[in-house]
Amino acid sequence: EVQLVESGGGLVQPGGSLRLSCAASGFTFGNYYMHWARQAPGKGLVWVSHINGDGSTTDYADSVKGRFTISRDNAKNTLFLQVNSLRAEDTAVYYCGRGELPAAIDAWGQGTLVTVSS
Amino acid sequence: QSALTQPASVSGSPGQSITISCTGTSNDVGSYNLVSWYQQHPGKAPKLMIYEGAKRPSGVSNRFSGSKSGNTASLTISGLQTEDEADYYCCSYAGSTYVFGTGTKVTVL
Repeated sequence: EVQLVESGGGLVQPGGSLRLSCAASGFTFGNYYMHWARQAPGKGLVWVSHINGDGSTTDYADSVKGRFTISRDNAKNTLFLQVNSLRAEDTAVYYCGRGELPAAIDAWGQGTLVTVSS
Repeated sequence: QSALTQPASVSGSPGQSITISCTGTSNDVGSYNLVSWYQQHPGKAPKLMIYEGAKRPSGVSNRFSGSKSGNTASLTISGLQTEDEADYYCCSYAGSTYVFGTGTKVTVL
């Protein structure tokens, strides 16, 4: 069974940083693109970033480019999102997802909440 | 990277069919046959319902179908059931990045 479990969220002050993690199991992690998406409270889904299987290719939404960094450790089956220079508008549940089917996220974690507030 | 446009809400009675539209631009929906649709119940993670515009993942009911014309993609739910009440989001590949739609709340009357 495919499982994705996010962690690392919490309360952080504006300008602060966090490192989000996504532990994967039930599939060959290094064979898949992985994504991060987020959802502000009461709002819609927003795509954040993705990374290819060997970590050589990454892309970001304009709203996070230069502040967020996606990475992966295939030996530990773990996806990361380093989030820096956080703003109030970054407050959201952050989901990781597996990109198995063409241009689609076929499995999602339960999300981790990041709250940016002083 | 502006969000794709969806109606805020759509409703229907049990057994009816409803259609949710998803309007983008020639930079996303219009250029790629790579629109996916997600169902999200309150407090839950999204679930993939349609990929590549019209394909259903294993386990998704054939009551869900997708299509595209020009810059607009559509999701049709036929034989509406109470468990279909949820938020629905479209998502399009946009040439190395992705863009989600604004979301549609489906209400079963």
